[in-house]
Amino acid sequence: EQLVESGGSLVRPGGSLRVSCAASGLRLQDYNIHWVRQSPGKGLEWVSLISWNGDSTVFAESLQGRFTISRDPSRNGVSLHMNSLRIEDTAVYYCAREASAWPAIDLWGQGTLVIVSS
Amino acid sequence: DIQLTQSPSSLAASVGDRVTITCRTSQSISNYLNWFQQKPGEAPKLLIYAASSLQMGVPSRFSGSGSGTDFTLTISNLQPEDFATYYCQQSYYTAIIFGQGTRLEI
Repeated sequence: EQLVESGGSLVRPGGSLRVSCAASGLRLQDYNIHWVRQSPGKGLEWVSLISWNGDSTVFAESLQGRFTISRDPSRNGVSLHMNSLRIEDTAVYYCAREASAWPAIDLWGQGTLVIVSS
Repeated sequence: DIQLTQSPSSLAASVGDRVTITCRTSQSISNYLNWFQQKPGEAPKLLIYAASSLQMGVPSRFSGSGSGTDFTLTISNLQPEDFATYYCQQSYYTAIIFGQGTRLEI
């Protein structure tokens, strides 16, 4: 079972970016999927959740509606769409699976780095 | 909003020591508390879920306890590979929150 993020890059403030998560060895549609980020040298910050069936999405209040999350069942993937990016959004973005039996993240990707800079 | 406060923020210990990290929440969360270990350049790893349940494959020297608002992670007989940063995380509310982390150093 593996999660692989992609799409991280350098983007200018105010720009948009989509980061994606692809799964192998598991069906992402069977699980709630989270995005968690970590700014350089800082702690873990939860970003967003999409429910197993895609009916429910939740975001950190600090994002102020700038991000959206979606599923791509045909690719066994999940994407995080980030708009109006700010310098403080610079971070490694991790895709993570919530366990079925208990609300704990039990599988993480390796992360993808997003740098917001002019 | 719920707050999670870990203590200490950093801790120095030696191989073979027993250490305890505390996580206090501003609201009662029953046992909806998980612990993670993160090493530099790596993704976090789940150690303990539901406050005291050991994740499969995690050595038994790791243990967790607590309920309500006060929780602890204990590492017995510290091994060289245990020097890392540890995070608590509440899953009572949908909007996950992590503690600020405890850096365990040699």
